[in-house]
Amino acid sequence: GENVEQHPSTLSVQEGDSAVIKCTYSDSASNYFPWYKQELGKGPQLIIDIRSNVGEKKDQRIAVTLNKTAKHFSLHITETQPEDSAVYFCAAFGGFQKLVFGTGTRLLVSP
Amino acid sequence: DAGVIQSPRHEVTEMGQEVTLRCKPISGHNSLFWYRQTMMRGLELLIYFNNNVPIDDSGMPEDRFSAKMPNASFSTLKIQPSEPRDSAVYFCASIGTSGGGEQFFGPGTRLTVL
Repeated sequence: GENVEQHPSTLSVQEGDSAVIKCTYSDSASNYFPWYKQELGKGPQLIIDIRSNVGEKKDQRIAVTLNKTAKHFSLHITETQPEDSAVYFCAAFGGFQKLVFGTGTRLLVSP
Repeated sequence: DAGVIQSPRHEVTEMGQEVTLRCKPISGHNSLFWYRQTMMRGLELLIYFNNNVPIDDSGMPEDRFSAKMPNASFSTLKIQPSEPRDSAVYFCASIGTSGGGEQFFGPGTRLTVL
């Protein structure tokens, strides 16, 4: 089955810097890659996603890139703000509506 | 839209007691997922339903865990008997056929088994 690895586990940046979180997946049949943000005491919330027919997608300060050949995808956050502090999860979707999640990255943005 | 609703939000119980967690998916969504989140194991899929039918329960850790979805608007996850190692946050998520893959998560139930 699908296996998703995520790095780093923690990431500390200064406000205004960029943050990059990377994930790799194992199943070449996976075709949908969402990123979720989880704030303290809340459930994960989708922030951006990408499908396998696209190499890059951007939404304001957030972008995701996908390299199907290497089977890795990354989340890029530019001009980070303190409210970006949260745990971020990548996931890969290969089977029937079933997502496999990475282990999460705790992002801390210091003012 | 109220989103996915879970109850209770917090549950504290003693080892050996039965625990029932409840979930109401978003109206019109036809797939429902139960996840468990712990620091050690991250976010694990326990079981998911499509059109009220269990499709994959390979993530259910033991026979002490059971889940039901009697209708399209309600699901339960039951642990009997509960053990301290079951302490975790349990999330329910739902997805619609036209959702393009996005799973909508509920706020979770924080379970503490003493």
